[in-house]
Amino acid sequence: AQSVTQPDIHITVSEGASLELRCNYSYGATPYLFWYVQSPGQGLQLLLKYFSGDTLVQGIKGFEAEFKRSQSSFNLRKPSVHWSDAAEYFCAVAASGGSYIPTFGRGTSLIVHP
Amino acid sequence: GAGVSQSPSNKVTEKGKDVELRCDPISGHTALYWYRQRLGQGLEFLIYFQGNSAPDKSGLPSDRFSAERTGESVSTLTIQRTQQEDSAVYLCASSFNRGRTEAFFGQGTRLTVV
Repeated sequence: AQSVTQPDIHITVSEGASLELRCNYSYGATPYLFWYVQSPGQGLQLLLKYFSGDTLVQGIKGFEAEFKRSQSSFNLRKPSVHWSDAAEYFCAVAASGGSYIPTFGRGTSLIVHP
Repeated sequence: GAGVSQSPSNKVTEKGKDVELRCDPISGHTALYWYRQRLGQGLEFLIYFQGNSAPDKSGLPSDRFSAERTGESVSTLTIQRTQQEDSAVYLCASSFNRGRTEAFFGQGTRLTVV
């Protein structure tokens, strides 16, 4: 069965600092990979997705993620964090073995200090 | 509609009562998912619809939970004899199809059982 691990429950960064949120997945073949953001009281918004091809994908709000097959990882990065980026971030995987039903990690809460 | 719509946005119910949660997916989206998100937790898969059939309902926590979808559109999640542990945000998502496509989420229904 597919699974997603987000090892960091909370991440605290200063505004303007760089950010990397970790995501590891467990699946034999290459799954489809996603990062979503959830602001308080809101639904989930898609930041970016990876299906195939170029392993570095660009998303909205200045985010990017890199797929590394050898490490089964899909880490999310941003070079300079803004206070408005404070939110919950979820990594998700969808694969044929799971009928392509998106499976989500537990989430990482991003706290931004001024 | 332009996005996934869920109603009501908030629901407070007494323990033991039945509740119905509604999801209007994006027009033309054949796949529909229900997830549960407990406070401070990740997304827990409940049920998946492809068209009007539910090929995967493995996430429904008990026989008090049921869901249906009609006209390849609106879906209703019903919880009978609600318990306090049912308190959570219930999120609905839809996608154009399953596989190489992303899921779009509604704002969720916050259910509180008192």
